[in-house]
Amino acid sequence: GENVEQHPSTLSVQEGDSAVIKCTYSDSASNYFPWYKQELGKGPQLIIDIRSNVGEKKDQRIAVTLNKTAKHFSLHITETQPEDSAVYFCAASKGLNFNKFYFGSGTKLNVKP
Amino acid sequence: EAQVTQNPRYLITVTGKKLTVTCSQNMNHEYMSWYRQDPGLGLRQIYYSMNVEVTDKGDVPEGYKVSRKEKRNFPLILESPSPNQTSLYFCASTTQGQGITGELFFGEGSRLTVL
Repeated sequence: GENVEQHPSTLSVQEGDSAVIKCTYSDSASNYFPWYKQELGKGPQLIIDIRSNVGEKKDQRIAVTLNKTAKHFSLHITETQPEDSAVYFCAASKGLNFNKFYFGSGTKLNVKP
Repeated sequence: EAQVTQNPRYLITVTGKKLTVTCSQNMNHEYMSWYRQDPGLGLRQIYYSMNVEVTDKGDVPEGYKVSRKEKRNFPLILESPSPNQTSLYFCASTTQGQGITGELFFGEGSRLTVL
């Protein structure tokens, strides 16, 4: 099956700085790569996703890049704010119906005011 | 309000005492799934269901059962819980087929402790 590795496990940045979280995957057939944000005591929520026919996607301060050849994808958060503090998970899925999702181990982001 | 509702949110039980964690969604989603979240391991898929009466194993199905008799409900059953099933459990749902986006909608989690 698919194996998704995520780094770093913890990340501490100063407010206003950028944060980058990286993931690698093993199955070259994976074609959908979402990122989820989990706030304390809540379930994960989708913040951005990218499909394999696209190399980069941006939504305000958040961007995701995908390198299919190297099988890695990254989450970029610019101008970080304290409310960005949370646990972030990357995931990979494949096929038309995305029936199985493989998640990374999570990154705890701490944005210091 | 569109949501995935899990119950109970917190449960402490003892080894061997059967329990059921319920999950219900009001978005008419075909796909539902259960995950467990453990420190350093992320979210691991236990079981998923593509539609009513269709279920399949995820990566860590041992010790769990599920059923999908109605579209909105997908209960997780622990027939004989053991301490290694102490974890935080999440139910999720999404659309399938036409209109599929891939976005999973998660419940708020059920923290289970097995003594």
